[in-house]
Amino acid sequence: DGGITQSPKYLFRKEGQNVTLSCEQNLNHDAMYWYRQDPGQGLRLIYYSQIVNDFQKGDIAEGYSVSREKKESFPLTVTSAQKNPTAFYLCASSIGVSNTGELFFGEGSRLTVL
Amino acid sequence: GIQVEQSPPDLILQEGANSTLRCNFSDSVNNLQWFHQNPWGQLINLFYIPSGTKQNGRLSATTVATERYSLLYISSSQTTDSGVYFCAVLSGSARQLTFGSGTQLTVLP
Repeated sequence: DGGITQSPKYLFRKEGQNVTLSCEQNLNHDAMYWYRQDPGQGLRLIYYSQIVNDFQKGDIAEGYSVSREKKESFPLTVTSAQKNPTAFYLCASSIGVSNTGELFFGEGSRLTVL
Repeated sequence: GIQVEQSPPDLILQEGANSTLRCNFSDSVNNLQWFHQNPWGQLINLFYIPSGTKQNGRLSATTVATERYSLLYISSSQTTDSGVYFCAVLSGSARQLTFGSGTQLTVLP
């Protein structure tokens, strides 16, 4: 089935460690996105990518990094510079970063920093 | 940037009741989506509806773009409808959807 797969679903990290969250899609979508959600809050955009080897910062990019070496994959690294990394992270994709691109989400990764 | 306001912030219903959720936005939009976030956190697409009316089973949505609002109707609500409903819009030359803060729906058995 076509879809977006995020892994791991749950992750625990010690302070000072970098962690990488995986996001893979087989929808043949050009655009991919990472969002962060804190408890009781809406979604905030971290990074997005319109095409391979290109990505743009969203509203809260500080302390995060991404890469887009393949169309299907858009991993997110939460670095030790991110002051409050405990959150729910959602990956999404759309046909393109255009005015008509419907967004689809993965199941999310829940990161807890101990 | 565009502002998106959802109302009500919280809604508690008895199973079988109907409800209307509202999304107001401050500028013209090219894209509007409704999502349901289930208790496990997954965001499920409900409607892609920049204008007009759509129906899917017990759910329907209407967007009146000229008046800058969208409505999500849930009829004969079930406990599985519980969760948070988000509206998200894309405006002008923006490259990202802007999300509202959501409506928390609780359906009691």
